[in-house]
Amino acid sequence: DGGITQSPKYLFRKEGQNVTLSCEQNLNHDAMYWYRQDPGQGLRLIYYSQIVNDFQKGDIAEGYSVSREKKESFPLTVTSAQKNPTAFYLCASLQQGAGMGGYTFGSGTRLTVV
Amino acid sequence: QQQVKQSPQSLIVQKGGIPIINCAYENTAFDYFPWYQQFPGKGPALLIAIRPDVSEKKEGRFTISFNKSAKQFSLHIMDSQPGDSATYFCAASKTGGSNYKLTFGKGTLLTVNP
Repeated sequence: DGGITQSPKYLFRKEGQNVTLSCEQNLNHDAMYWYRQDPGQGLRLIYYSQIVNDFQKGDIAEGYSVSREKKESFPLTVTSAQKNPTAFYLCASLQQGAGMGGYTFGSGTRLTVV
Repeated sequence: QQQVKQSPQSLIVQKGGIPIINCAYENTAFDYFPWYQQFPGKGPALLIAIRPDVSEKKEGRFTISFNKSAKQFSLHIMDSQPGDSATYFCAASKTGGSNYKLTFGKGTLLTVNP
């Protein structure tokens, strides 16, 4: 089955620590996205990538970094500069030029600062 | 700046009722309006979507109504069931061109009581 796999499902971070969230897709989609979800805040865009080796900042990129070395993979690093990282993180992908622009989402990673 | 405003924040209906969730957008360049359904601990899933050249689209018990002049669109769930209890997000985007991304509303938590 084609889809998006996010791992781990739960992640705990200590103060001052960097952590990396994995996102892998086998849908052969060109574009990939990272969103952060907080209660009552909806989905806010962190970073997105239209093609390999290229990515753009979203609305809340500070304290986060990404890479896109392969079409299938778009890992997100939450750095120690992100002061309030506890949230539910969602990865999504999209086939460019498909007409309708609906994302496919992964199942998310819940990050908690301990 | 919130480009897509969603209301209400939460909604409780009885089984068989017709919950209605409303969204308003600001950017007149938006031309794709999807709705997503999210269950706890899961990623959102595309439910139904509409383009502004039609005023209504129905898929099963879910209907989108679209008012281009008012820049508003809404989701109606006919004969709602307890299994419809979830968080619903509206979104909007401008298709075509580069840097494609969806802008989401803040979500509506729907509870359907038996």
